[in-house]
Amino acid sequence: IVMTQSPATLSVSPGERATLSCRASHSIYDNLAWYQQKPGQAPRLLIYGASTRATGIPTRFSGSGSGTDFALTISSLQSEDFAVYYCQNYGDWPAAFGQGTKVEI
Amino acid sequence: EVQLLESGGGLEQPGGSLRLSCAATGFTLSNFAVTWVRQAPGKGPECIATIGGSGGVTLYADSVKGRFTISRDVSKRTVFLQINALRAEDTAVYYCAKGQGSLYFLLDFWGQGVLVTVSS
Repeated sequence: IVMTQSPATLSVSPGERATLSCRASHSIYDNLAWYQQKPGQAPRLLIYGASTRATGIPTRFSGSGSGTDFALTISSLQSEDFAVYYCQNYGDWPAAFGQGTKVEI
Repeated sequence: EVQLLESGGGLEQPGGSLRLSCAATGFTLSNFAVTWVRQAPGKGPECIATIGGSGGVTLYADSVKGRFTISRDVSKRTVFLQINALRAEDTAVYYCAKGQGSLYFLLDFWGQGVLVTVSS
């Protein structure tokens, strides 16, 4: 299963809303996770089950979708949210990631 | 507190070998899967090898099958990745990550990563 993210880069102003998309080549039901990665750091789990926030993740992050089409929405971008975001199909091996969306100012 | 700490990376020539280690604390290896994930410069993460909580199941990405071997020592709380026949395209940051319970490939904790550079 191939995971495709769009857009590659998203330019947003602080306080604005950002919506990132992820598409799976075949249905993955709700076995979809989102990760955030900042420069020089490991990815951090944000969302799993397509819409469940991981422990400690702010409520401005929300996920939606099922089957093949998914979205991550950041309701009001904060300075610390500028990063690269990856989606992942964790339902089967090799648990593919998308190529990422960079959210920039 | 769950922590993962990788070591063993460095510069190696094509055809060479490396052994990466992942020291795990805050959880029991026999209860959780651990996955090695690599990330080449400017690319997305790639899951390359995983070992199940029982230790009896190991899986590999096609890109590393036959060259990489994952193993663990539960008593030493350490997971290993033996990398043989290194290629230039193996150059990447290598992370180990813990699976979330029965969701083996949902990676809820990650190490800080270790750089492997393959070059002559």
